[in-house]
Amino acid sequence: NAGVTQTPKFQVLKTGQSMTLQCAQDMNHEYMSWYRQDPGMGLRLIHYSVGAGITDQGEVPNGYNVSRSTTEDFPLRLLSAAPSQTSVYFCASSYDGDRAGNTIYFGEGSWLTVV
Amino acid sequence: DAKTTQPPSMDCAEGRAANLPCNHSTISGNEYVYWYRQIHSQGPQYIIHGLKNNETNEMASLIITEDRKSSTLILPHATLRDTAVYYCIVRGFSGGYNKLIFGAGTRLAVHP
Repeated sequence: NAGVTQTPKFQVLKTGQSMTLQCAQDMNHEYMSWYRQDPGMGLRLIHYSVGAGITDQGEVPNGYNVSRSTTEDFPLRLLSAAPSQTSVYFCASSYDGDRAGNTIYFGEGSWLTVV
Repeated sequence: DAKTTQPPSMDCAEGRAANLPCNHSTISGNEYVYWYRQIHSQGPQYIIHGLKNNETNEMASLIITEDRKSSTLILPHATLRDTAVYYCIVRGFSGGYNKLIFGAGTRLAVHP
């Protein structure tokens, strides 16, 4: 049972480059989301999706793009990387995001450094 | 979403119970209390959640006060592997979606 899988685990980018962080879940969860965590801080929501074909912005969406073509996958795209996007990125998923009683499960994180 | 207040750090001796407090005085009736922990910057790990009643699972117990303004996470027999940052989160349906708002958490150090 893989749960939430993120790739790559580590990545170094140059300023201005683009890349995609991959996220896949095998639990048939409708709700998926991306968070970033900066040193010493809690997680902040970037984008989320309540189902295939539906995405929306979270607290800190600027500089990121997402799509949800399948239930299983929710990639996060950095359009033009900036040093301020150096962070640890976590993907999460749960059943039906409209219900506060559903547990959210997290991936192991992707460490991104922009130089 | 209601905010939470936690002590920044706590210590616990191995084998003893760790009691982690959380204040959420502005919680509303349909908001749940969730606890997650994060070990060495790994992905947050779900521990337990509750609405009104006390809850227990294989990892921990959650005690919620009758007025729901505070709660306590109890790790009954702490081990060195329980050293982590513990986040108390109040979660409800907000602005059309469901999200977790993480604060700074409590850094629990379990020592021999």
